[in-house]
Amino acid sequence: NAGVTQTPKFRVLKTGQSMTLLCAQDMNHEYMYWYRQDPGMGLRLIHYSVGEGTTAKGEVPDGYNVSRLKKQNFLLGLESAAPSQTSVYFCASTQSFREGLAKNIQYFGAGTRLSVL
Amino acid sequence: GIQVEQSPPDLILQEGANSTLRCNFSDSVNNLQWFHQNPWGQLINLFYIPSGTKQNGRLSATTVATERYSLLYISSSQTTDSGVYFCAVGPGTYKYIFGTGTRLKVLA
Repeated sequence: NAGVTQTPKFRVLKTGQSMTLLCAQDMNHEYMYWYRQDPGMGLRLIHYSVGEGTTAKGEVPDGYNVSRLKKQNFLLGLESAAPSQTSVYFCASTQSFREGLAKNIQYFGAGTRLSVL
Repeated sequence: GIQVEQSPPDLILQEGANSTLRCNFSDSVNNLQWFHQNPWGQLINLFYIPSGTKQNGRLSATTVATERYSLLYISSSQTTDSGVYFCAVGPGTYKYIFGTGTRLKVLA
């Protein structure tokens, strides 16, 4: 059972280039999330999805787009990369989101380290 | 939106010492998790604890939801406990909000 898998693990881009980060989960979770983590900071939510075909904006959505065409995959796109998007990106998934249930636990991928020059 | 504050921001311990990490949140929450981010960056779930007390080996956690805080206790610390500890709270809108973390270094 692989859990949450992120691809790629590392990437270097030049300003203006585009790329897509892939997140795949094999736990049949409904909810999926993309976060970014900058040095010395906590995780900030970029976008999330509450089910196949749905997406919603988080705290810092500007400059990113997402898609959830299949339940197990959540894609994060950068259309025109900027140096301010240099960060570590984490994907997470949750089975459900009902009050007080252990199914609300978030599971994280190993992260993608992105540098934009 | 909800604010999540963790204290202390940094902590240095000798191996074998005990410590208490605190997470305060500004509004009621339905979900709360504690994570450990190891030196390689991996985020590991420690506890799912929206209320009450749980223990797992040398670690335990207590959440007093009515007073809007949670505590993580680490006893007999080991060098492998080093890393950053995050509290994440869910105010019930399909997402978690993370605190800025407590950076722990355990010295041999």
